Amino acid sequence: AQSVAQPEDQVNVAEGNPLTVKCTYSVSGNPYLFWYVQYPNRGLQFLLKYITGDNLVKGSYGFEAEFNKSQTSFHLKKPSALVSDSALYFCAVRVPNDYKLSFGAGTTVTVRA
Amino acid sequence: GAGVSQSPSNKVTEKGKDVELRCDPISGHTALYWYRQSLGQGLEFLIYFQGNSAPDKSGLPSDRFSAERTGGSVSTLTIQRTQQEDSAVYLCASSSAGTGTDTQYFGPGTRLTVL
Repeated sequence: AQSVAQPEDQVNVAEGNPLTVKCTYSVSGNPYLFWYVQYPNRGLQFLLKYITGDNLVKGSYGFEAEFNKSQTSFHLKKPSALVSDSALYFCAVRVPNDYKLSFGAGTTVTVRA
Repeated sequence: GAGVSQSPSNKVTEKGKDVELRCDPISGHTALYWYRQSLGQGLEFLIYFQGNSAPDKSGLPSDRFSAERTGGSVSTLTIQRTQQEDSAVYLCASSSAGTGTDTQYFGPGTRLTVL
């Protein structure tokens, strides 16, 4: 079975500061890892994914994530947060030959001006 | 191009009534998924359609839930005899192939409230 943990329910940062949203996973085999963002009353928007290759993945809106196999982590990062980055962030995992995404519980990010 | 669309955006119903939720996937996407987002359970997989293959219904929580996909495109999720615990946001997603490395793109969701 596959699972994802997002250890922080909330992350608060000041605008212009670095933003990190943590994610760890548990799977049998190689994982495919995804980050999505959800704004109020909206669906999930895809940010980035790791499939294979370079451990540092760059995505939309200046976000990036680093795959760390030894620590089974896939933390989302942004060097300089914006107020508009305030939203709910979900990490998700899928294994090869499967199609279901397993989501973490989500992390609410608040960026204060 | 157009993304995944869902209707209605909001649905309020009385306990015991049936509801139908609609999803229009991205044109050309063969795979379609339904998920449910609720406060207590987070995001849960419900059902998966791939082309003309039999759907994977393993995530449906009870036999009151059913879904169909007509012509390999539009999908309808039906909940019969709704219960208060069915209140949630129902999200539809589509992807180009359904396996491997493809990305699932989500619609805006239907917020269902059962009174």
